[in-house]
Amino acid sequence: AQTVTQSQPEMSVQEAETVTLSCTYDTSESDYYLFWYKQPPSRQMILVIRQEAYKQQNATENRFSVNFQKAAKSFSLKISDSQLGDAAMYFCAYGAGANSKLTFGKGITLSVRP
Amino acid sequence: GAVVSQHPSRVICKSGTSVKIECRSLDFQATTMFWYRQFPKQSLMLMATSNEGSKATYEQGVEKDKFLINHASLTLSTLTVTSAHPEDSSFYICSARGVDSHSNQPQHFGDGTRLSIL
Repeated sequence: AQTVTQSQPEMSVQEAETVTLSCTYDTSESDYYLFWYKQPPSRQMILVIRQEAYKQQNATENRFSVNFQKAAKSFSLKISDSQLGDAAMYFCAYGAGANSKLTFGKGITLSVRP
Repeated sequence: GAVVSQHPSRVICKSGTSVKIECRSLDFQATTMFWYRQFPKQSLMLMATSNEGSKATYEQGVEKDKFLINHASLTLSTLTVTSAHPEDSSFYICSARGVDSHSNQPQHFGDGTRLSIL
């Protein structure tokens, strides 16, 4: 069975600084997809970034980028120039196959210090 | 972008009441919808996968008779919590995937329903 591990329950970053959130996963599949979702206090689930396993190039979305290490089964999220609005819970998720369910990590609570 | 509407956003009711939560895809057709439960500061726990026109697939440990799921059309799935009790109080979130989507396409989430059973 696929598992997603986020071992850090909380992190804090100074506004305008850079922070990296860690995620590891375990799978026997060769074709799969990885996601980072943000859940602010409103509890709305917001897609931050996604990565296809077959792509070697790391995905980037503005201030958000990932470091995808397929061999190590690692998928970390880097947030540059952190903003107060980045404060939220962040979930790493894995999916494989058409119409497949997502497996979520436990999540990490990110706080941003002004 | 794809929009999923979940209603109601907040429910407070007495123990023993049955509560229905709706999940609608507003601008796309969803063959598959997912229902999650989330406790405070915890991750999303998948309860069941709802497929249009067929029976839902429940995760291990989720009571089928307690959490009734109906996916009658390509734009609507409902979750009914039958004879709700205080331990059913939680945050319930639905998500939907489009007809032609592949697993690289993200699930689109509703805004969730906060259920409180007194």
